[in-house]
Amino acid sequence: DADVTQTPRNRITKTGKRIMLECSQTKGHDRMYWYRQDPGLGLRLIYYSFDVKDINKGEISDGYSVSRQAQAKFSLSLESAIPNQTALYFCATRTGQTGELFFGEGSRLTVL
Amino acid sequence: QKEVEQNSGPLSVPEGAIASLNCTYSDRGSQSFFWYRQYSGKSPELIMFIYSNGDKEDGRFTAQLNKASQYVSLLIRDSQPSDSATYLCAVIPPGSGGYQKVTFGTGTKLQVIP
Repeated sequence: DADVTQTPRNRITKTGKRIMLECSQTKGHDRMYWYRQDPGLGLRLIYYSFDVKDINKGEISDGYSVSRQAQAKFSLSLESAIPNQTALYFCATRTGQTGELFFGEGSRLTVL
Repeated sequence: QKEVEQNSGPLSVPEGAIASLNCTYSDRGSQSFFWYRQYSGKSPELIMFIYSNGDKEDGRFTAQLNKASQYVSLLIRDSQPSDSATYLCAVIPPGSGGYQKVTFGTGTKLQVIP
């Protein structure tokens, strides 16, 4: 089983729908991140969390919200999806002892 | 100015040649620098990290850091077709505190021609 698991892996939805992307990890890391990837734009940080009591906005948080339900779970929500939120979304975890980010397999979201 | 900048490429090199990938960053106090490789349709994976000025070698890969000039580079020796991927530069900027925000460049696509 993957150490960082994202669900769903693929989702097609319509404009205005509420969508939740879930991330769970078995690595025991305290830091969790949500990134969005668009062609030619690299990985852009949406939100990141140091622990369950700490949530921080990244560079593109507008239109998104997150919930850190437990140390191992970090969910990303789109309250009212719009077409320009069509992208590949990655969850990642990290421990403070190393710099390495460990990524999930990605969630491809299409908003029609 | 973007925090982390990379040439998007594609960078094409013949098999066996040295591929040189470059990255510049804007925050002078940045401390930690990473190179990730991402194959098409896959997640990024770490291949190198570097914290101190100078060179760091790991097999065919060498990371170079020059904090005075604010650039970090990745050299791939004896390039192989399997090295064809997008290479992402990542930086932890100053002021992140304990949160340690990790900021990525847009990535450079490398093509190794057999």
